Amino acid sequence: SYELTQPPSVSVSPGQTARITCSGDALPKQYAYWYQQKPGQAPVLVIYKDSERPSGIPERFSGSSSGTTVTLTISGVQAEDEADYYCQSADSSGTHRVFGGGTKLTVL
Amino acid sequence: EVQLVESGGGLVQPGGSLRLSCAASGFTFSSYWMSWVRQAPGKGLEWVANIKQDGSEEYYVDSVKGRFTISRDNAKNSLYLQMNSLRVEDTAVYYCARDDHGSTRGFDYWGQGTLVTVSS
Repeated sequence: SYELTQPPSVSVSPGQTARITCSGDALPKQYAYWYQQKPGQAPVLVIYKDSERPSGIPERFSGSSSGTTVTLTISGVQAEDEADYYCQSADSSGTHRVFGGGTKLTVL
Repeated sequence: EVQLVESGGGLVQPGGSLRLSCAASGFTFSSYWMSWVRQAPGKGLEWVANIKQDGSEEYYVDSVKGRFTISRDNAKNSLYLQMNSLRVEDTAVYYCARDDHGSTRGFDYWGQGTLVTVSS
């Protein structure tokens, strides 16, 4: 089955830039999405269609894509950004959705 | 305001069955694909199944194929997940999510989830 690979953890100091990568063979053909999940809460969409930001999401969140890797970048990280982040896409047929394993972002 | 409210979770023995429901409001339910996503305790998100607007297509993750059935009732703005032959590894919070990948907007709305515990 298709898999998306993320680093288990990323740590940054407040005000620095955090970058979370996600790799998968079908990413050149399928869009990627990013979700933020804080403890005890449902996930929230923070990036769609590789690099678009939903309304209400701060501008410090951005997304990019290059070949089989997509990246979520959080510029000027704030304490409130500490959360688990999941990339998500679809298999090559586009019918089966898939999530990456998640990355725990720690703000030091 | 878009709202998705899951119900039907609980404790069930291995081999048992459970039916989850998701009540949708604040949008035209019949215009969207819908999905179920689950999260085992302390683990990551796992997509479970999705269903097309008119119910004519449905897809499943391999681990639930043949045991779970997704369905919808557009007249009642409701999504369902019938879970049979439950296993301990199906223990998770189950989320209902609006699946707007057709418009490239991903899972743009989520419910708060309902906990399913499979244990003897």
